[in-house]
Amino acid sequence: DVKVTQSSRYLVKRTGEKVFLECVQDMDHENMFWYRQDPGLGLRLIYFSYDVKMKEKGDIPEGYSVSREKKERFSLILESASTNQTSMYLCASSLWLPGLYYEQYFGPGTRLTVT
Amino acid sequence: TQLLEQSPQFLSIQEGENLTVYCNSSSVFSSLQWYRQEPGEGPVLLVTVVTGGEVKKLKRLTFQFGDARKDSSLHITAAQPGDTGLYLCAGIWNQGGKLIFGQGTELSVKP
Repeated sequence: DVKVTQSSRYLVKRTGEKVFLECVQDMDHENMFWYRQDPGLGLRLIYFSYDVKMKEKGDIPEGYSVSREKKERFSLILESASTNQTSMYLCASSLWLPGLYYEQYFGPGTRLTVT
Repeated sequence: TQLLEQSPQFLSIQEGENLTVYCNSSSVFSSLQWYRQEPGEGPVLLVTVVTGGEVKKLKRLTFQFGDARKDSSLHITAAQPGDTGLYLCAGIWNQGGKLIFGQGTELSVKP
């Protein structure tokens, strides 16, 4: 069974802290994604990665960085957490098949609160 | 920048009613997906539509892709409380697999 796991379901951090969100997939997928989800805004792409050590900025990368040292693991880093980064963070993975559509498999999400 | 407008944002109906959710864009997509998200979980893919004019059925759910591949609709017949959730449309461009999501439609079906 396909599985994407995220390190925490709930996280509370203080302003200015460095925050690491971890995501692991067991499907040998090339693509991995980090989104944030806010009410009324849908899912917005923060960063994505096509392969190990490769990363591309999404639509809202400011204040975030990512790391992909192994194919199965994609980490999202908040260098200095701020209250406007309070949100639900979703990780996803998918195959990469040029010219074909594919399904993104999502983790359960991490609800991050920055106080 | 490609945008997907989804409507309505909220829908509260009684069990047994029919409903339609719309997803519109000014851009042409190579394909479009519909996801459903339950509270506390990530979105799960329901369907992918690829060809303009395509209609796909999944039990009581009917998905349609517009002829020009700029819009899509999700129709639910005889809604049940188990259909409650957030429905998201997502457009795909052949640019490395990125999805652009609509804002979502929060559906509540009351018994």
